Amino acid sequence: AQKITQTQPGMFVQEKEAVTLDCTYDTSDPSYGLFWYKQPSSGEMIFLIYQGSYDQQNATEGRYSLNFQKARKSANLVISASQLGDSAMYFCAMREGSDSGSARQLTFGSGTQLTVLP
Amino acid sequence: DSGVTQTPKHLITATGQRVTLRCSPRSGDLSVYWYQQSLDQGLQFLIQYYNGEERAKGNILERFSAQQFPDLHSELNLSSLELGDSALYFCASSAEVGLSTDTQYFGPGTRLTVL
Repeated sequence: AQKITQTQPGMFVQEKEAVTLDCTYDTSDPSYGLFWYKQPSSGEMIFLIYQGSYDQQNATEGRYSLNFQKARKSANLVISASQLGDSAMYFCAMREGSDSGSARQLTFGSGTQLTVLP
Repeated sequence: DSGVTQTPKHLITATGQRVTLRCSPRSGDLSVYWYQQSLDQGLQFLIQYYNGEERAKGNILERFSAQQFPDLHSELNLSSLELGDSALYFCASSAEVGLSTDTQYFGPGTRLTVL
């Protein structure tokens, strides 16, 4: 079973509008972290935002916010006031477990290609 | 700039050859991860090192190996290369302080093309 599912292969948004990128996850571990990364056409992976499974409030970082619905196992990324530079591939990722001795690798979704239209 | 460096940026080689990819983590980070990004497999975890010791293995082929040196830089060795090994290889580092907020920061990647 897929651990991270991103159902939108591509999305379009008008400049200055808000957009929501969907992410659902599957884990039985009570402790986990959810991450969003941006990959522009140049190829680098840029960390955007983090949400912990025990966090009571939704994470926010500037124009990025994470709509965390634990019961639904969803962690959607909301980008407000889209800019042309936001055009990129966006990946949702999960890390399970919080023990210092446990493996901490990320499991990634397949990504959503966002295009911001002028 | 994430503070993670990777060299080379691009690598073109032939089938059957061996290459070495190099990664320097962010200052102070003890943990290094290697990921492979290909069109058909997406982003996949290969291997993790923590303070010189292998901690976890993912979908890493036996033809691939890695190590982390005392100065914490890491190398990923790919041998007997096949066309299907063509991919973008990322190194990421994190502090591994034991907190759930630990974040992995990625290097710019090495794009490997096997001809």
